Amino acid sequence: GAVVSQHPSWVICKSGTSVKIECRSLDFQATTMFWYRQFPKQSLMLMATSNEGSKATYEQGVEKDKFLINHASLTLSTLTVTSAHPEDSSFYICSARGTTTYEQYFGPGTRLTVT
Amino acid sequence: GQNIDQPTEMTATEGAIVQINCTYQTSGFNGLFWYQQHAGEAPTFLSYNVLDGLEEKGRFSSFLSRSKGYSYLLLKELQMKDSASYLCAVRDRTGANNLFFGTGTRLTVIP
Repeated sequence: GAVVSQHPSWVICKSGTSVKIECRSLDFQATTMFWYRQFPKQSLMLMATSNEGSKATYEQGVEKDKFLINHASLTLSTLTVTSAHPEDSSFYICSARGTTTYEQYFGPGTRLTVT
Repeated sequence: GQNIDQPTEMTATEGAIVQINCTYQTSGFNGLFWYQQHAGEAPTFLSYNVLDGLEEKGRFSSFLSRSKGYSYLLLKELQMKDSASYLCAVRDRTGANNLFFGTGTRLTVIP
């Protein structure tokens, strides 16, 4: 199956700093990428959807100025958590969908801890 | 919007069969997915249903009834490694064909 990678797999940062998470589709072109957030013992919550070359579409309640998403190419999307706070600590998972498949492939996730 | 319900937790015995139910309400149904997620890992794809009926894949089967807004995932010959969360997700065409997830069912397989 298709492979999606994320980097870093875990990160610890201080409150007020920014963190960038990368999501790459390794063996297919991802026309659409998704960013999810998952708190402990909860399900995945969709944060935003991005299509290559266009602005991301954010779900209700997600601050677009805080969670900056850039889908610069068909294989790379980035999520930057700006001015991170402890409540932003979570498991962030990206997912990618190609042009010829109904299926979404998930990255391994990035665990963010803000101290 | 989307409303997806699953039981929170289930326990079953190794070697047995377990059925995990999912009910959903969505305005633009365009497919239902089941994913398996082990703690601290990303979800992995198990099955996809868009038409009514049963899809079988080895020890895993998934059923869909669109008129009832209902699906189930059936796991046979349970193994200890099947202990995980099972996520029901619905694709909604009114939501840009995005996937919306239920809360997940945490399955514990006991010896």
